[in-house]
Amino acid sequence: EAGVAQSPRYKIIEKRQSVAFWCNPISGHATLYWYQQILGQGPKLLIQFQNNGVVDDSQLPKDRFSAERLKGVDSTLKIQPAKLEDSAVYLCASSLNPLDLTGELFFGEGSRLTVL
Amino acid sequence: QKEVEQNSGPLSVPEGAIASLNCTYSDRGSQSFFWYRQYSGKSPELIMFIYSNGDKEDGRFTAQLNKASQYVSLLIRDSQPSDSATYLCAVNILGGGADGLTFGKGTHLIIQP
Repeated sequence: EAGVAQSPRYKIIEKRQSVAFWCNPISGHATLYWYQQILGQGPKLLIQFQNNGVVDDSQLPKDRFSAERLKGVDSTLKIQPAKLEDSAVYLCASSLNPLDLTGELFFGEGSRLTVL
Repeated sequence: QKEVEQNSGPLSVPEGAIASLNCTYSDRGSQSFFWYRQYSGKSPELIMFIYSNGDKEDGRFTAQLNKASQYVSLLIRDSQPSDSATYLCAVNILGGGADGLTFGKGTHLIIQP
């Protein structure tokens, strides 16, 4: 079974530029998450999709971050304009259903962003 | 605001000994609890989950949950160098669909050969 695919793996940009990350979840997984992991910290949930609808985006900095999952499959996370503090690994994860008690998220390899 | 607290370490344990990792959480509504392992430069992978008070064992790993004390721990018996990694504690509150996990900062575990 193919895992969660993410691209690009690495991206270096200057502040105020824009960047987009792409994620393709495991086939059949209805729920997709974007997490931000800053070096030395745990992953922080940015946004959760159930099919193509947003379930939770309470921690998404909406003035600069946007995300979409138009057809309920793959998703794009965009940052515009980027700030230095956006340097992090952006992890996409998926799960078969909204988390039940087992709560297994399947993570992609992540997209490492460096903002100069 | 849901918070999950972990000692960031590093926690250094001799090979073959028991490693004990601890986690506290602030939200009494939290219902299920997870331990993820993250190797340097890699993504997190699930080790264990627990949702009932008491102990849950899986091979060399034991998760312990005390909801009254809002405390969850992970014990690793017969520690191996390959166990060296960052261990992330995560909690979620079920219901309402907004069930993305809240992670702690992680404990960096070093197993010394």
